[in-house]
Amino acid sequence: DTGVSQNPRHKITKRGQNVTFRCDPISEHNRLYWYRQTLGQGPEFLTYFQNEAQLEKSRLLSDRFSAERPKGSFSTLEIQRTEQGDSAMYLCASSWGSATQPQHFGDGTRLSIL
Amino acid sequence: GQQLNQSPQSMFIQEGEDVSMNCTSSSIFNTWLWYKQDPGEGPVLLIALYKAGELTSNGRLTAQFGITRKDSFLNISASIPSDVGIYFCAGLPRNTGNQFYFGTGTSLTVIP
Repeated sequence: DTGVSQNPRHKITKRGQNVTFRCDPISEHNRLYWYRQTLGQGPEFLTYFQNEAQLEKSRLLSDRFSAERPKGSFSTLEIQRTEQGDSAMYLCASSWGSATQPQHFGDGTRLSIL
Repeated sequence: GQQLNQSPQSMFIQEGEDVSMNCTSSSIFNTWLWYKQDPGEGPVLLIALYKAGELTSNGRLTAQFGITRKDSFLNISASIPSDVGIYFCAGLPRNTGNQFYFGTGTSLTVIP
């Protein structure tokens, strides 16, 4: 069990650029979640997948954000036309079974917008 | 969205002391989770709670699911320097079902 893996760990980009993050969940986990965390706050839910289906999206997820999980394994989160306010830690978590099961987190991707 | 009030916001304690923190909401929750997060890393699961009144331990950590289902508590006994970090509660509301909501965290500093 290798845990949840996120790449890259850090991303620095200029405002207006597009960025893409990858998450590899724990291999047998069917649920995959994306969160955003800013300094001094807890993680905020963005979206979740059950297998390859994206079943829920937060109002925080503007139309500049898109997430995919094409084969029900790894997932990508893309942010288009980045803005200063997108600077945050983006966390991925996975779990097995129902929504009540504990989520296991990766170490996140730290995004900094110049 | 749901509001989870976590307190205290920060704690400074001497090594060996016991620690208590809590998380409260105005809504009823089906599941409570407690996580610890170190700087630059993701949250690590400590304890999961599924029933009102449930008391669960993990080493020196003990957590309880409040009987009103609107709160949860985490205690750490005989603190040690590696307990330093930020502790988050997370709750799954009864009605919305799929989304855990996180508290704002309790920052713990242990003075050797």
